[in-house]
Amino acid sequence: DGGITQSPKYLFRKEGQNVTLSCEQNLNHDAMYWYRQDPGQGLRLIYYSQIVNDFQKGDIAEGYSVSREKKESFPLTVTSAQKNPTAFYLCASIQGGEQFFGPGTRLTVL
Amino acid sequence: AQKITQTQPGMFVQEKEAVTLDCTYDTSDQSYGLFWYKQPSSGEMIFLIYQGSYDEQNATEGRYSLNFQKARKSANLVISASQLGDSAMYFCAMREFGSYNTDKLIFGTGTRLQVFP
Repeated sequence: DGGITQSPKYLFRKEGQNVTLSCEQNLNHDAMYWYRQDPGQGLRLIYYSQIVNDFQKGDIAEGYSVSREKKESFPLTVTSAQKNPTAFYLCASIQGGEQFFGPGTRLTVL
Repeated sequence: AQKITQTQPGMFVQEKEAVTLDCTYDTSDQSYGLFWYKQPSSGEMIFLIYQGSYDEQNATEGRYSLNFQKARKSANLVISASQLGDSAMYFCAMREFGSYNTDKLIFGTGTRLQVFP
């Protein structure tokens, strides 16, 4: 079955550590996106990528980094520079009007 | 400037009744797409319906329909025959196809729908 996988589902991090969230899709979609969602809030765009080896900053890119070395993969690194990283992170891929979201990763900083 | 506006933080509807969730958008592009998603308490985002800016007919998917009024820049979601399982957050989103650098999917702040018996 085609879809998006995100791992891990839950992630705990100590302050000062970098962590990487995985996002993989087998839909052959060109565009991939990372969003952050805080409790009771909407989705805010962190980074997005239209093609391999290229990506653009979204509205809240500070403290995050991404790579797009393969079409299927768009990992997100939450760096120690992100001051308030505890949130729910969602990855999505889109092709025209077809799109899917991954199940999300809940990141908690201890 | 706010690109997607959902003015209803919360809505209540009785089971089996219809409900309309409002969404207005702002864009100068001629080519764009509008999406609606449902997010239950589990957190997953469930795609409901899509409307392209050049589609002349309003999109429908089962009990969901999108009331697309291009001149007013509104894309309201209509849920017919509400069910208890429809209780969730609902998000409207827009993707502008105008240029490479603006091809991003942006979301409104959401509407929490509660269906009561």
